[in-house]
Amino acid sequence: LAKTTQPISMDSYEGQEVNITCSHNNIATNDYITWYQQFPSQGPRFIIQGYKTKVTNEVASLFIPADRKSSTLSLPRVSLSDTAVYYCLVAENTGGFKTIFGAGTRLFVKA
Amino acid sequence: GAGVSQTPSNKVTEKGKYVELRCDPISGHTALYWYRQSLGQGPEFLIYFQGTGAADDSGLPNDRFFAVRPEGSVSTLKIQRTERGDSAVYLCASSQGVAFSEQYFGPGTRLTVT
Repeated sequence: LAKTTQPISMDSYEGQEVNITCSHNNIATNDYITWYQQFPSQGPRFIIQGYKTKVTNEVASLFIPADRKSSTLSLPRVSLSDTAVYYCLVAENTGGFKTIFGAGTRLFVKA
Repeated sequence: GAGVSQTPSNKVTEKGKYVELRCDPISGHTALYWYRQSLGQGPEFLIYFQGTGAADDSGLPNDRFFAVRPEGSVSTLKIQRTERGDSAVYLCASSQGVAFSEQYFGPGTRLTVT
């Protein structure tokens, strides 16, 4: 399983775009990249998943360069409620496989 | 529909006691996971079930920990001779079990061993 590296914490202000980058230098050909969000006293929640280029859904975008050794989660116009921990995971089969979470990135959104 | 539920939400037990933590996955989800999360850390994988069988239990820390899923739905995580170091939030997740399907997490059980 590929190891991931993320910043420990980030600060932002309401209304700004936030980009969180994850490094995964040893990503394998069959690995997908998945991001989860976790609020205090709750379990993690799936945000977005991708393999290459760009993926966008109603809450975020995921940018993956051609070499796939990193990925960037982009949160448009954050609000106070986006304050949470964000985890980047890399795995061959995230739906039925051993899943390794790192320490995550703690995002603080200020008013 | 109903999400993943876990009971109890909180459990306080004395060192050396036996505890059982229950997970009710989303109906129809074949894959079920148990994680343990300590304060300030990411979830730590414990065990993964595909149906009734444990497909990967490599994350169980020692033989005091055991989990079952006898009918392929509800799962119970069992901890014998609890130690203070077992104190953590125990998270359960389920998924459709097919490639790249997302995991749905329950709210967790906070276990405190005194």
